[in-house]
Amino acid sequence: DTAVSQTPKYLVTQMGNDKSIKCEQNLGHDTMYWYKQDSKKFLKIMFSYNNKELIINETVPNRFSPKSPDKAHLNLHINSLELGDSAVYFCASREREGHYNEQFFGPGTRLTVL
Amino acid sequence: GDSVTQMEGPVTLSEEAFLTINCTYTATGYPSLFWYVQYPGEGLQLLLKATKADDKGSNKGFEATYRKETTSFHLEKGSVQVSDSAVYFCALGRNTGGFKTIFGAGTRLFVKA
Repeated sequence: DTAVSQTPKYLVTQMGNDKSIKCEQNLGHDTMYWYKQDSKKFLKIMFSYNNKELIINETVPNRFSPKSPDKAHLNLHINSLELGDSAVYFCASREREGHYNEQFFGPGTRLTVL
Repeated sequence: GDSVTQMEGPVTLSEEAFLTINCTYTATGYPSLFWYVQYPGEGLQLLLKATKADDKGSNKGFEATYRKETTSFHLEKGSVQVSDSAVYFCALGRNTGGFKTIFGAGTRLFVKA
């Protein structure tokens, strides 16, 4: 059973298009995240949701809009895609309680904008 | 603000060599410290963690000790294998209006047979 799953795994699209990435976790966790990993492997947090509520929103262009229909799902919609959006996007989840709890990561979605 | 600095890679070792990947952090208070590993084409997975000073995290032959006096959490393994080839991320976690994990830049390890 996959704990954190993402779809699609690969996404190739043209500049200016709108696309969505979906994430689901079956761990019963309260908190979910989106990260962006650039070509040099640098990992940067974008958003965090706790029980469907946005709690962390880093400096991300407003073309990126997360949506959490329930605490097991956190989707990422991107409008007007740009070349610089090309990266691997990771979804993650963790239990709400306790600052020592680790995050569980999905396999990633490689987005290529042409 | 909080930050994590880890040694630049890539690190190339022969099988059975000793591994050290240095990691230092800057943070107020008492963060939790983690090492995550990313194998090619996969997401990150937790390798080990430590939640307070002098704690030692260990897993799969890897270990790291939370040193508050030197603000360090260096990763070590006595004898690496080809299968250890991956990217290793040091990270700290804090609750500051939402739990946030700050990752280091990652260190790529290549192990040659």
